[in-house]
Amino acid sequence: NAGVTQTPKFQVLKTGQSMTLQCAQDMNHNSMYWYRQDPGMGLRLIYYSASEGTTDKGEVPNGYNVSRLNKREFSLRLESAAPSQTSVYFCASKLQGVWTDTQYFGPGTRLTVL
Amino acid sequence: DQQVKQNSPSLSVQEGRISILNCDYTNSMFDYFLWYKKYPAEGPTFLISISSIKDKNEDGRFTVFLNKSAKHLSLHIVPSQPGDSAVYFCAGTPDSNYQLIWGAGTKLIIKP
Repeated sequence: NAGVTQTPKFQVLKTGQSMTLQCAQDMNHNSMYWYRQDPGMGLRLIYYSASEGTTDKGEVPNGYNVSRLNKREFSLRLESAAPSQTSVYFCASKLQGVWTDTQYFGPGTRLTVL
Repeated sequence: DQQVKQNSPSLSVQEGRISILNCDYTNSMFDYFLWYKKYPAEGPTFLISISSIKDKNEDGRFTVFLNKSAKHLSLHIVPSQPGDSAVYFCAGTPDSNYQLIWGAGTKLIIKP
């Protein structure tokens, strides 16, 4: 039981390049989330998927797209990376779409955009 | 506009003593709060929560206190242990239908 896994762990991009961050969970959770964490700031929600087949914008969705590929997988795509997207990205999941329930987080992807 | 503020970026406490981490919020609609703990190179893990119908919630060495009139909550860890060294985040939400709003975190260092 691996919980929430994220790939890659580290990535360096040049401005304008694209990439997809992968996230998978094996806990049969319905809801999945993408956050970013910047120095001196709390986690900010980028997108979430309350259930398979649905996605919604969070607090900071601009410059990102997501795909809920199936119940297990939720990917985050940067179409044209910008230095402002340098951050640590966390994927999370939980059993159902109630915000007050515990979220389970992956280890994070550290992304640098030059 | 930071709706959840953790004003102490770091806190150093002697092993065995009490650690008190503070969190203030500005949104009076917030009704539910959670604390998460994060070790380096790992994602946050859930620690303890409290709803506004309570002013205290306890789980082993961890106790969270909520003062709604002051819009303030605190996490007490007694006694502090070296394994408690981590970054602690508080997060709040108006209710179960809205996303969590997170504080910037406090780095707790437990000295042996």
